[in-house]
Amino acid sequence: AQSVSQHNHHVILSEAASLELGCNYSYGGTVNLFWYVQYPGQHLQLLLKYFSGDPLVKGIKGFEAEFIKSKFSFNLRKPSVQWSDTAEYFCAADYGGATNKLIFGTGTLLAVQP
Amino acid sequence: GAVVSQHPSRVICKSGTSVKIECRSLDFQATTMFWYRQFPKQSLMLMATSNEGSKATYEQGVEKDKFLINHASLTLSTLTVTSAHPEDSSFYICSASRGVGQPQHFGDGTRLSIL
Repeated sequence: AQSVSQHNHHVILSEAASLELGCNYSYGGTVNLFWYVQYPGQHLQLLLKYFSGDPLVKGIKGFEAEFIKSKFSFNLRKPSVQWSDTAEYFCAADYGGATNKLIFGTGTLLAVQP
Repeated sequence: GAVVSQHPSRVICKSGTSVKIECRSLDFQATTMFWYRQFPKQSLMLMATSNEGSKATYEQGVEKDKFLINHASLTLSTLTVTSAHPEDSSFYICSASRGVGQPQHFGDGTRLSIL
């Protein structure tokens, strides 16, 4: 079955630390990949997306993600986190077709300590 | 741009009541809207996909007669939880997309509590 896995459920970092959040998707042919962020009390917002082309995708707020097809991974990275990055991060996959449906991972709660 | 408004944000009602949740795209036309349900500490689970002017497509295991979806215009979709029971208590989130291949934009969600 098509699925998305996020192995880090809760991450605590100090400001300026580097961040990497894992995301793995199951094999399903063509796949579009997304990272969404949900700040406390706010709605989900798109951080970045990968459809095709350069596997290193740059998003907003200094985030980037790398699509590694051989590992079925799409990990999110940021070289230096800030307190304002405290949020929940969701990886999602669209396995194509005409439906535009997203399958979400369980989310990773990131807490950045000042 | 791409703002999605979801109303109400919180509903508390008695068992047996029907509850309607609205999802509006405020500054764009949404060909497709999606309804999700999120349980505590779990992922967003897609309930149904709604296309303007046509019947919604429900995911496996979602009761069509329980969760009525109407997508009457390119800016409005509604989810009605009929005869709600405590097990329907959850966080319901809608999203809207301009079309296939376009990102989804999410509403703030509705916290539904059935007593």
